[in-house]
Amino acid sequence: GAVVSQHPSRVICKSGTSVKIECRSLDFQATTMFWYRQFPKQSLMLMATSNEGSKATYEQGVEKDKFLINHASLTLSTLTVTSAHPEDSSFYICSAEVGTDTQYFGPGTRLTVL
Amino acid sequence: AQRVTQPEKLLSVFKGAPVELKCNYSYSGSPELFWYVQYSRQRLQLLLRHISRESIKGFTADLNKGETSFHLKKPFAQEEDSAMYYCALLTTSGTYKYIFGTGTRLKVLA
Repeated sequence: GAVVSQHPSRVICKSGTSVKIECRSLDFQATTMFWYRQFPKQSLMLMATSNEGSKATYEQGVEKDKFLINHASLTLSTLTVTSAHPEDSSFYICSAEVGTDTQYFGPGTRLTVL
Repeated sequence: AQRVTQPEKLLSVFKGAPVELKCNYSYSGSPELFWYVQYSRQRLQLLLRHISRESIKGFTADLNKGETSFHLKKPFAQEEDSAMYYCALLTTSGTYKYIFGTGTRLKVLA
């Protein structure tokens, strides 16, 4: 089946630093990739939708300058949390879509900002 | 407003009992609905989608447009069904995006 990887799986950083999270579709080309944020015991909140070669579409309330998304190829999207602060600590999950309405999820990245 | 509501945070049933996980949606367009499942220490994965009208692991879900519901059902729960279940709506009118409900944790007791 289709596999999506995320790297790193866990990261701890100091406040003010930037963190990059990679999302890769390992055995398929993804038309669209999604980035979600999940707070403890809460649902997934869509942050942005990205298509290869074009600018990401951010959801209302998500700062595009804070959460930089680059979708360089059909198999790679990156999320960079710039100048991270403790309130950015969360579980970030990406998904990749093949065609329409078939989403495959990555295992998630736990970000802790000290 | 576009919204998915799962009213139960936790649902506990005994093994062999019927299960119904509730999901209601609010969407003015033509809805596409999904159930996703997350087992302990595993990633989120698709369980079923309404357009396929399929039964996966004994689970079924029927889209009721009149009641704007997409409840997930299984006649006889198994312990291995214990997991977190999320209902999701795919919006295709205007912005293409997924909206998730808050999830229901299903615990199947022996």
